[in-house]
Amino acid sequence: DQQVKQNSPSLSVQEGRISILNCDYTNSMFDYFLWYKKYPAEGPTFLISISSIKDKNEDGRFTVFLNKSAKHLSLHIVPSQPGDSAVYFCAASGGQGGKLIFGQGTELSVKP
Amino acid sequence: EAGVTQFPSHSVIEKGQTVTLRCDPISGHDNLYWYRRVMGKEIKFLLHFVKESKQDESGMPNNRFLAERTGGTYSTLKVQPAELEDSGVYFCASSLRTGRSLGTDTQYFGPGTRLTVL
Repeated sequence: DQQVKQNSPSLSVQEGRISILNCDYTNSMFDYFLWYKKYPAEGPTFLISISSIKDKNEDGRFTVFLNKSAKHLSLHIVPSQPGDSAVYFCAASGGQGGKLIFGQGTELSVKP
Repeated sequence: EAGVTQFPSHSVIEKGQTVTLRCDPISGHDNLYWYRRVMGKEIKFLLHFVKESKQDESGMPNNRFLAERTGGTYSTLKVQPAELEDSGVYFCASSLRTGRSLGTDTQYFGPGTRLTVL
């Protein structure tokens, strides 16, 4: 029973354009959502997060949008750069326990 | 400041053998987590330490897995005896504390240990 789903295993985007990565969740108890970025042979690196009391959080080129009614969040990268090519994981947590529930990841490829 | 380190980076063992993975969290981080990624799928939670105490071990697959964090510093994860389905990448993460305030709950991940059981 997968509580966090990333339905697109891969995404290819041209440099300078917008990348939109999507994530859906099923557990309404989740109150905190994160995006991690992972390069090959490295661990996931924290990118950006959003609390369930917000619907948008922005950090430079990265913006995360949360639609609680649809149980959906998305990560927008504008403009996309070749160095953004990596696997992006959506994760969620609920309460104070701290454990993260991850999606399967989306591999983003930004073409020069 | 040193990040989360894990040892070894790779381990290849035969079914039935024992393997011990080690994680050194960021200094001062009370929270330590173990996760596993199998066959390119999602990263799955295994367990969570707060200092030396197990806060949540709901993700541990079975009693062949034993995690310890003596003294609340580094942690070890032992698999005994290893089975084929234990193959995967084991990640360790640490955070200063849980809770949402000021991002102090951000989990920082190590590079992982790739375990292959033949």
